[in-house]
Order: sequence, then structure tokens, then C-alpha cells
Amino acid sequence: EPEVTQTPSHQVTQMGQEVILRCVPISNHLYFYWYRQILGQKVEFLVSFYNNEISEKSEIFDDQFSVERPDGSNFTLKIRSTKLEDSAMYFCASSAGTPNYGYTFGSGTRLTVV
Amino acid sequence: AQSVTQLGSHVSVSEGALVLLRCNYSSSVPPYLFWYVQYPNQGLQLLLKYTSAATLVKGINGFEAEFKKSETSFHLTKPSAHMSDAAEYFCAVSGRGGSQGNLIFGKGTKLSVKP
Repeated sequence: EPEVTQTPSHQVTQMGQEVILRCVPISNHLYFYWYRQILGQKVEFLVSFYNNEISEKSEIFDDQFSVERPDGSNFTLKIRSTKLEDSAMYFCASSAGTPNYGYTFGSGTRLTVV
Repeated sequence: AQSVTQLGSHVSVSEGALVLLRCNYSSSVPPYLFWYVQYPNQGLQLLLKYTSAATLVKGINGFEAEFKKSETSFHLTKPSAHMSDAAEYFCAVSGRGGSQGNLIFGKGTKLSVKP
């Protein structure tokens, strides 16, 4: 079954450093998403991406965050200057279309900011 | 605005017993509803989804859920729990309006299965 692949699985970074989280969505999917889950809290929507541009973003997705699809296969989330509160599990997801197609999630990247 | 409430952060059942995980939603537009399961150190796996076809939805691993508009509920059930069902379960809603792509998740319910 097709999978969404995320790398790395764990990332430890110092506060103030830039991090890039990488995702390879399912190849024929058109919609891409990032979600995050702070330990013990609910999964929260960050951003959706379609047709090479952001289609929706949440309040969490401030100027410190950016997304890119640099080469037609990867989908990246960049955090420019990490804060302690950015520590979380970050999930990438992709979808073939509107929600009735469902979403496929990756296994996540656990980001720890120290 | 849409929201999801999952009653009970932790549910414990005996192997072979009925599993019932509760989910209530709030949505100003007809919703799409989803149940996801997360095994330890793994991603979110889709169990089942409601997209306005049959109100009783069957999913993987013997799970099913019933959409009840009058009760704004989408509870997840399984007749007989297996040890392998121990995981965290998330209910999620997505609207059919401008925010179709945005899944709103509940806080999750951790299911324990006792031998």
C-alpha cells in the first residue's frame, strides 16, 4: 500500500536553530498537509498546500514556518528559528482530493528543541 | 466553527469485551467524520470515514461507527476486543465548506485491553 514517508524520525535541535522536516507524499496525491501533536495534546492542523501554494493555514503557522515542494516529490516544513514550544511530533499527510478520498499520514518526526 | 469531543481519555476493556469509544462533533456544515488509530511510535492510520453515504460505516480490523445526526455523534465500536487493539484512537471532523482540507481532531482516547 502506498505510504507517506517522513524523515528524520527524530530530530534534536538547539533553540534558535533552523530545522527542515521532510516528507514524501503519495505520488498521485495533490493535497499536502502538516499537522503537529505536542506531547499529551491533540493533533493540530498547521497548513495545507495545493497547486504549489498554501491553501489554508492555522494561527500556529506564523512567519517562523514555511512550506515548500522543491522538486515535485518532496514536501518540506521549515521552522526558521526554533523555540522550546516547537517541540512536538510533526505529521505530514497527503490526499488525492476532497476529504471523502481520505488522508494518508506519515509516521511523524519527533522534534525536540533544547 | 467545528470541534470534536472525545469522552474519556482512557478506556480499559477486557479481551473479548465490547469496545465503545465516544465522539461528539460540532459543525455548522454537513461534516465528514473520521476515526484514526495511532499505535505506539507510529503514525495515524485511517480506521474508517463517514462521507454522507451509509450512516453505519465499517472500517478495518472489525471496527465500525454510526453517524447519528440527531445526537451529533460518531461513536466507534468493536464487538470483541483483541490485545492488538490497544492503541490511541482519534476522532476527527472536516467540513464541506471552505475548510474542507482541515481536519479537526479530538484529544484522543487511549484504549487498553486486559487479558
